[in-house]
Amino acid sequence: DADVTQTPRNRITKTGKRIMLECSQTKGHDRMYWYRQDPGLGLRLIYYSFDVKDINKGEISDGYSVSRQAQAKFSLSLESAIPNQTALYFCATSDLSGTGTGELFFGEGSRLTVL
Amino acid sequence: GESVGLHLPTLSVQEGDNSIINCAYSNSASDYFIWYKQESGKGPQFIIDIRSNMDKRQGQRVTVLLNKTVKHLSLQIAATQPGDSAVYFCAENMGTDKLIFGTGTRLQVFP
Repeated sequence: DADVTQTPRNRITKTGKRIMLECSQTKGHDRMYWYRQDPGLGLRLIYYSFDVKDINKGEISDGYSVSRQAQAKFSLSLESAIPNQTALYFCATSDLSGTGTGELFFGEGSRLTVL
Repeated sequence: GESVGLHLPTLSVQEGDNSIINCAYSNSASDYFIWYKQESGKGPQFIIDIRSNMDKRQGQRVTVLLNKTVKHLSLQIAATQPGDSAVYFCAENMGTDKLIFGTGTRLQVFP
């Protein structure tokens, strides 16, 4: 089983609809992240959370919100989806360790298409 | 603004040859760098990392070189195999555990 699981893996929706992407992890990591990937733009950080009570905006948080329901769960919501939010979304985790290596462990991705 | 970028969007190499993927970074305060590999339909996977107090680090068939003078990072893959075909990203950590990713280089391996 994957250590970082994203659902749904694929979703097609219409403009204006509310969408939630869910992420759960079995790695026991404190830190969780949501990234967006667009062709030619690499991965851009949307939101991140260093523990259950901590939520931080990333580079491109406008139009998105998140909820850290538990250490193992971090969900991303699009309150009113628009076509330019069509992208591949990745959840990631990292370990809050003294080494501070910053290595991220990624899920398999959720492909969202907004028509 | 600060950015991490790659010189070549696509690199084609023959199986068995060595591959070199390059990355430029602009934030001199970055102290940690990682290379990720992303295969089609999958999330990025860690390959190798290097701290700013080092200029070279070797793994299994991979070597990362860091030149802080010119703010350049490279990933060398020895004896490239078909399974190495993927998109490779460099990422920099500016000490906040937030990684800033480059745009990626696609490596194509042909027989």
